[in-house]
Amino acid sequence: EAQVTQNPRYLITVTGKKLTVTCSQNMNHEYMSWYRQDPGLGLRQIYYSMNVEVTDKGDVPEGYKVSRKEKRNFPLILESPSPNQTSLYFCASSLSSSGSNEQFFGPGTRLTVL
Amino acid sequence: GQNIDQPTEMTATEGAIVQINCTYQTSGFNGLFWYQQHAGEAPTFLSYNVLDGLEEKGRFSSFLSRSKGYSYLLLKELQMKDSASYLCAVIGTDSWGKLQFGAGTQVVVTP
Repeated sequence: EAQVTQNPRYLITVTGKKLTVTCSQNMNHEYMSWYRQDPGLGLRQIYYSMNVEVTDKGDVPEGYKVSRKEKRNFPLILESPSPNQTSLYFCASSLSSSGSNEQFFGPGTRLTVL
Repeated sequence: GQNIDQPTEMTATEGAIVQINCTYQTSGFNGLFWYQQHAGEAPTFLSYNVLDGLEEKGRFSSFLSRSKGYSYLLLKELQMKDSASYLCAVIGTDSWGKLQFGAGTQVVVTP
């Protein structure tokens, strides 16, 4: 089944404890992206990747890192999480970044930072 | 940057029609998406517009006017399962990879 998977789905952690949220897609998509979703603010793009070893900042990259060492995986790293990073996170992928390609979203990761 | 506006909430009756408007102010434009998101779930793709005009897909249609920075999503013959948040998203000309979303419109369908 074609899908985007994220792990973990739920995570409660404490301030300053490094964490990684994994994202994997099995559709051979070139483009992958991370978003956070907060009430009243909608989806905001954190980082995106046009292809392997190519990453770029979205609108809210502060406090996050990403890497794209292989096509299928695009992990999101929080080196020192803070409470303002409590949010619902979505990973997405599409065939390429060119306009008409729809993005397929993972199921989401709900992160709470205490 | 870009500013994308859509109403916060709309209520409509089962079987009726609802039109969700989206206005955007961008430094460039390379396309507009509409996504549907049910509570607690991931967004799913509904439509993509890059040229002016109406795109029809079953009960859902999407319209774009680039000169006015305006789009709408039209939902016809509303069903209870259409209760969801509808997200408007724009690709500017900064980068093909950057997609900016509006805050979403919550549509509530009542019996």
